[in-house]
Amino acid sequence: GQNIDQPTEMTATEGAIVQINCTYQTSGFNGLFWYQQHAGEAPTFLSYNVLDGLEEKGRFSSFLSRSKGYSYLLLKELQMKDSASYLCAVLGYQKVTFGTGTKLQVIP
Amino acid sequence: NAGVMQNPRHLVRRRGQEARLRCSPMKGHSHVYWYRQLPEEGLKFMVYLQKENIIDESGMPKERFSAEFPKEGPSILRIQQVVRGDSAAYFCASSPVQGAANTEAFFGQGTRLTVV
Repeated sequence: GQNIDQPTEMTATEGAIVQINCTYQTSGFNGLFWYQQHAGEAPTFLSYNVLDGLEEKGRFSSFLSRSKGYSYLLLKELQMKDSASYLCAVLGYQKVTFGTGTKLQVIP
Repeated sequence: NAGVMQNPRHLVRRRGQEARLRCSPMKGHSHVYWYRQLPEEGLKFMVYLQKENIIDESGMPKERFSAEFPKEGPSILRIQQVVRGDSAAYFCASSPVQGAANTEAFFGQGTRLTVV
């Protein structure tokens, strides 16, 4: 089976940097995704990591350590529109399993 | 190239009625996933299908819920004799290849089911 843990809520200030952590235990691993979901909308893809290390994409970066079962999503230069839920998801043998999501609130 | 299409976007049913949720995957995608999301909660896996095959239904409730993905037409998630606890957003995602590296699952806009 798969178990994915991430904090329920976080608050950060506009312009700052925030790191959202995700730990996982899985019986099979073919990669880890981060999705962003605004309230009432569908999740949208942010990043995919399958090898250890940091992947940078604009203001967003994602890190993976397979040996530790750990990932984080780093958001820089926070904007108000970044207020959303951030979902960590693991691709196991056949299916993608999601964590419960971290609700990020960006304040002025 | 249209994205994943789900309909209806909103569905209201009375307790005891049937709900049918439809999902048309992206063109060229033969794998479909259904997820349920209760208010303020994360996405919970329900079922994974290929054309004419159920690959993994470990997240489906044993009773009242069924899913299919026929050779022609959309994937259907069917909920019989709905109860208030079935009220949720149901998301469909599609991908081109089973479990392939960097296989991004593309999501539809979801169907919001309300049982009254």
